[in-house]
Amino acid sequence: EVLLVESGGGLVQPGGSLRLSCAASGFTFSNHWMHWVRQAPGKGLVWVSLISSGESSTRYADSVKGRFTISRDNAKNTLFLQMNSLRAEDTAVYYCAREGTGTLAFDMWGQGTMVTVSS
Amino acid sequence: DIQMTQSPSSLSASVGDRVSITCRASQGIGNSLAWYQQRPGKGPELLVYATSRLESGVPSRFSGSESGTDYTLTISSLQPEDFATYYCQQYYASPRTFGLGTKVEVK
Repeated sequence: EVLLVESGGGLVQPGGSLRLSCAASGFTFSNHWMHWVRQAPGKGLVWVSLISSGESSTRYADSVKGRFTISRDNAKNTLFLQMNSLRAEDTAVYYCAREGTGTLAFDMWGQGTMVTVSS
Repeated sequence: DIQMTQSPSSLSASVGDRVSITCRASQGIGNSLAWYQQRPGKGPELLVYATSRLESGVPSRFSGSESGTDYTLTISSLQPEDFATYYCQQYYASPRTFGLGTKVEVK
């Protein structure tokens, strides 16, 4: 079965850090660009970051640039998002998403992990 | 950044109704547009990519089309499982921006 499973979310104080993980299975992880997308409570989807299949290219939304770092371990089929200097406005469900090799759309999503930034 | 203006933000419909949702791009994106369905408490699912190509396994009552910079998702005959929120997304340029969503509710 093709799966993406996020973990690592939780409650953190403003200014704190969290590291999210996304474990991939059922497909050749190293062939796909990967993304993080977040959704604040009751709000829409917002793209956060991408990483190319070979890790040579990364991009970030302006709102997280300089605070978040995306990475991947192709040997362990895992995607990461290191989040530092967290703010209340970073509170959201964070999804990892697979970019289709032919489509460029996000053809597979995880179930999400909740990050709450609050004192 | 490319802005995606999605309308309506919500609509009420009945089973069997024909429903259309539109996204307008702030600049040209070619056919680099996707539509996603999101049910409460779940991750989104890809319905349509490249404006009009149906993802594998998606029912044929869903279709996508384009006219200029306006992109439309149509559900030809709404089914009970289709009551959900729908998002468009452009992947022509980074950042890969989404519309704000359309919630399809039971009338």
